Amino acid sequence: SQTIHQWPATLVQPVGSPLSLECTVEGTSNPNLYWYRQAAGRGLQLLFYSVGIGQISSEVPQNLSASRPQDRQFILSSKKLLLSDSGFYLCAWSDRSSGANVLTFGAGSRLTVL
Amino acid sequence: GQQLNQSPQSMFIQEGEDVSMNCTSSSIFNTWLWYKQDPGEGPVLLIALYKAGELTSNGRLTAQFGITRKDSFLNISASIPSDVGIYFCAGLLGANSKLTFGKGITLSVRP
Repeated sequence: SQTIHQWPATLVQPVGSPLSLECTVEGTSNPNLYWYRQAAGRGLQLLFYSVGIGQISSEVPQNLSASRPQDRQFILSSKKLLLSDSGFYLCAWSDRSSGANVLTFGAGSRLTVL
Repeated sequence: GQQLNQSPQSMFIQEGEDVSMNCTSSSIFNTWLWYKQDPGEGPVLLIALYKAGELTSNGRLTAQFGITRKDSFLNISASIPSDVGIYFCAGLLGANSKLTFGKGITLSVRP
């Protein structure tokens, strides 16, 4: 069966420090991968998605970047965090071969920037 | 762009009550999904609907894909405290399109 892992689960970082959040998917190959941000326990904002290694699409201009160095690994990064980067970050995957882009989410990473 | 409307933002019900949530759009979708997010966790898929008019149940949950393809509803019957969370609807236009999410409804259940 497929599983998705995110880490770290919780992170407290000072303004101006770098960020790296990691997401890996097991039990599937060639998945679509996504990074979402959720602020204040409400809506889900799509940040990045990837259909393959090295292929990243950005949905909104921001202080963050994403990379996909391996088929089942998706990384969210920042060189210098801003206060506004605080939030709950969710990684998700979908099976491209299924014919429907139904997302399965990870457990999330809560980032607090102080 | 496509938008999904979920309202109200919050709902408060008594344990044992039934609750209905609606999701509407100005444009059509070919797949409707309902997710639930427990506090501090990622959303989990509850029900997926693939055909206009389809009515699907999952335990105490029932969801319907509106016949116009522009809306969907989710019913929870005999609510229990663990039903607390945020309920998101999501729509998908085509197989390779991205999901469009509603802003979610936060459900509170009073014991």
